[in-house]
Amino acid sequence: KAGVTQTPRYLIKTRGQQVTLSCSPISGHRSVSWYQQTPGQGLQFLFEYFSETQRNKGNFPGRFSGRQFSNSRSEMNVSTLELGDSALYLCASSLPGLAADTQYFGPGTRLTVL
Amino acid sequence: GESVGLHLPTLSVQEGDNSIINCAYSNSASDYFIWYKQESGKGPQFIIDIRSNMDKRQGQRVTVLLNKTVKHLSLQIAATQPGDSAVYFCAENADGGFKTIFGAGTRLFVKA
Repeated sequence: KAGVTQTPRYLIKTRGQQVTLSCSPISGHRSVSWYQQTPGQGLQFLFEYFSETQRNKGNFPGRFSGRQFSNSRSEMNVSTLELGDSALYLCASSLPGLAADTQYFGPGTRLTVL
Repeated sequence: GESVGLHLPTLSVQEGDNSIINCAYSNSASDYFIWYKQESGKGPQFIIDIRSNMDKRQGQRVTVLLNKTVKHLSLQIAATQPGDSAVYFCAENADGGFKTIFGAGTRLFVKA
């Protein structure tokens, strides 16, 4: 079974631009979560989607948004990029369920904002 | 607010020794805890998990211990190998399991 895939793997943007990152979950997984990882802040939760609905959101500004499609693939968008948005963005998928399930992470997208 | 943290930011052990990585959590309502391993250039990889109705769980060379009284979680790695060198994160599931909070991470160095 293929793992979680994220595209692109690397991205360079300039301040003020916007970016869209993509995540394909493991087949059969319907929950997708997004995280931002930086040396200073560690792994921080962005949001989680299940059946095209956002179920939870972290403490990030409205410039960060996401969505999930009917095939469970997910995208996240960051508008008006700032230097501080440079980070590794990780996507994780898990099986559906009311209780917590193990999350499987993709390799991440390394975003650099110049 | 709720948080998950680690006692030691770095840990250096000799190959073949046992490693113990510790973690403190603050949300007493959390009922699911996970340890992840992250190698350079890769996403976190699931190692082992434990639910709050247990206090110990064993995997292959790894054991997780949960002490709910003091809100403490630990990961024990037996016979540590060079391939175990990585950053280890503890995490807890909050808000009904839809949100995972990660600790700061501990870097494990294994000396040959």
